[in-house]
Amino acid sequence: GAGVSQSPSNKVTEKGKDVELRCDPISGHTALYWYRQSLGQGLEFLIYFQGNSAPDKSGLPSDRFSAERTGGSVSTLTIQRTQQEDSAVYLCASTQGPTRGKLFFGSGTQLSVL
Amino acid sequence: TQLLEQSPQFLSIQEGENLTVYCNSSSVFSSLQWYRQEPGEGPVLLVTVVTGGEVKKLKRLTFQFGDARKDSSLHITAAQPGDTGLYLCAGGGNTGKLIFGQGTTLQVKP
Repeated sequence: GAGVSQSPSNKVTEKGKDVELRCDPISGHTALYWYRQSLGQGLEFLIYFQGNSAPDKSGLPSDRFSAERTGGSVSTLTIQRTQQEDSAVYLCASTQGPTRGKLFFGSGTQLSVL
Repeated sequence: TQLLEQSPQFLSIQEGENLTVYCNSSSVFSSLQWYRQEPGEGPVLLVTVVTGGEVKKLKRLTFQFGDARKDSSLHITAAQPGDTGLYLCAGGGNTGKLIFGQGTTLQVKP
């Protein structure tokens, strides 16, 4: 596709359930980021993938959060045993490589934990 | 831990006024980016500055990177309602991780 695609766009789940959020980056982009954004707030860094290097997981808030990137392309962010405080917009972005490059963002997944 | 602090967090002004948004840190960044975000969408890059003291202009928007590469500012001249949105600064280091500030919500009233 022409841009970063995220699915689903909206997800409502019950507390304690697991959820998977998907990100399809722009073809050829080697770097992929996941961020979390609360209403009207800035972006909280979660995890960063760069090529075949080990991902930077320093932003994951707890061991309930994990992410994978298969084949250097599609990425899945998994949240286990969701809590109400996990409710937020989860944004994915990709770029060709260096951080000086332009980040292309998806429209995000709005996660609501009831 | 690298942190970027933006100020003000919220700004409501009349059309035609000028404004400045600040982005400050105690850490040095190799590059500083500014993004603008509209409701329901992801942020969109406005500019990247990489050299200390660098000034870039984008129509009515002027961006400056501090000499020590620890801070940046965004100045908007003669703001228009179309400038309304969330403005985010983001700092990059050598590790590749990009850190965002908490954002400045700008509302320009006609």
